[in-house]
Amino acid sequence: TQLLEQSPQFLSIQEGENLTVYCNSSSVFSSLQWYRQEPGEGPVLLVTVVTGGEVKKLKRLTFQFGDARKDSSLHITAAQPGDTGLYLCAGLHNAGNMLTFGGGTRLMVKP
Amino acid sequence: DTAVSQTPKYLVTQMGNDKSIKCEQNLGHDTMYWYKQDSKKFLKIMFSYNNKELIINETVPNRFSPKSPDKAHLNLHINSLELGDSAVYFCASSQDIFPRETQYFGPGTRLLVL
Repeated sequence: TQLLEQSPQFLSIQEGENLTVYCNSSSVFSSLQWYRQEPGEGPVLLVTVVTGGEVKKLKRLTFQFGDARKDSSLHITAAQPGDTGLYLCAGLHNAGNMLTFGGGTRLMVKP
Repeated sequence: DTAVSQTPKYLVTQMGNDKSIKCEQNLGHDTMYWYKQDSKKFLKIMFSYNNKELIINETVPNRFSPKSPDKAHLNLHINSLELGDSAVYFCASSQDIFPRETQYFGPGTRLLVL
């Protein structure tokens, strides 16, 4: 059972464009993390959101946790080729100690 | 100065063989993990060790046996390899038992079972 659905699965855009990727679930999470994974490497944590409605910014990346803590979005402004990679969301259930990962969004930013 | 390292990076082997993957972290962390990433990129936890003790053991065939000789190492031994074991295996570590701490992932071991 896939608890976290990420969309789109693939996204190819031109440098300078904006984009949003989504992470949705029917489950409530106590916190949610976003990772970026580059080819041949392991995932690297970008951000953790904890509070419903929380918005965090990391340079051109804006992360939002849904009010009900069931979903999250990642918005990238003026994408650059260096943003290319696999973006993974991962949720932690209440009282849990394991992350549940989504299937990822593979982003390609063309120069 | 690699934080979490894994060996080998690539492993190609025949069905039925036994193989081991090694993981070392030099971050001084107390907790280490093994994850499996399948061809569809789903990342799923397999095991977690804290101070050399097993704390998470997900539904993993008993052909997979983790071993932690000390806090800095968590090795994964796989017996009687099957085609479905082909995947990328990631080791990770954190200062304390997640969820309080950030996990740092290694570069992965790409296992192909023929």
